[in-house]
Amino acid sequence: AQTVTQSQPEMSVQEAETVTLSCTYDTSESDYYLFWYKQPPSRQMILVIRQEAYKQQNATENRFSVNFQKAAKSFSLKISDSQLGDAAMYFCAYRSYGQNFVFGPGTRLSVLP
Amino acid sequence: DTAVSQTPKYLVTQMGNDKSIKCEQNLGHDTMYWYKQDSKKFLKIMFSYNNKELIINETVPNRFSPKSPDKAHLNLHINSLELGDSAVYFCASSQSPGLSYEQYFGPGTRLTVT
Repeated sequence: AQTVTQSQPEMSVQEAETVTLSCTYDTSESDYYLFWYKQPPSRQMILVIRQEAYKQQNATENRFSVNFQKAAKSFSLKISDSQLGDAAMYFCAYRSYGQNFVFGPGTRLSVLP
Repeated sequence: DTAVSQTPKYLVTQMGNDKSIKCEQNLGHDTMYWYKQDSKKFLKIMFSYNNKELIINETVPNRFSPKSPDKAHLNLHINSLELGDSAVYFCASSQSPGLSYEQYFGPGTRLTVT
């Protein structure tokens, strides 16, 4: 069974600085998608970024980018120019064809003013 | 318009009661899900359902049952509520079977069993 691990239960970053959240996963599939979701205190789950496994180019969305290392089964999220509104739980998720999403345990990110 | 809506947002009830949480999506998606998020924020899938197949996580007690009156709705019914059922329950939907399709989540329902 696929598993997703986030080894950092909590992280903090100074406002305007850069932070990287780690995610590793275990799978025997070659074709899959990876996602990062954000859950602010409002509870709403929001998609931040997605990555297709067959694409070598790392996905970027404004201040958010990923470092996808397929061989290492690693999918880290980099947040640049951190803002107070970035404070949230961040969940890494995996999906392969015909399978449900598998979520990691989450990383709580605090942004310090 | 809210893409995925849930009602109620908060639910406080006593042990032994039966309750339902409603979920509706207006995205035209054909697959819907229920997740349970415990106090440690861990998201656990309970059910996934499309118009052809219900997939149940085998660890979910049979006191929990999804009911889908139509493609846009997937309600969660819980019998004989227990203290351990206290959690936030999320409904979600997505297109299938495409891999790239993200899940859209509802706002969550915080269930407190006393």
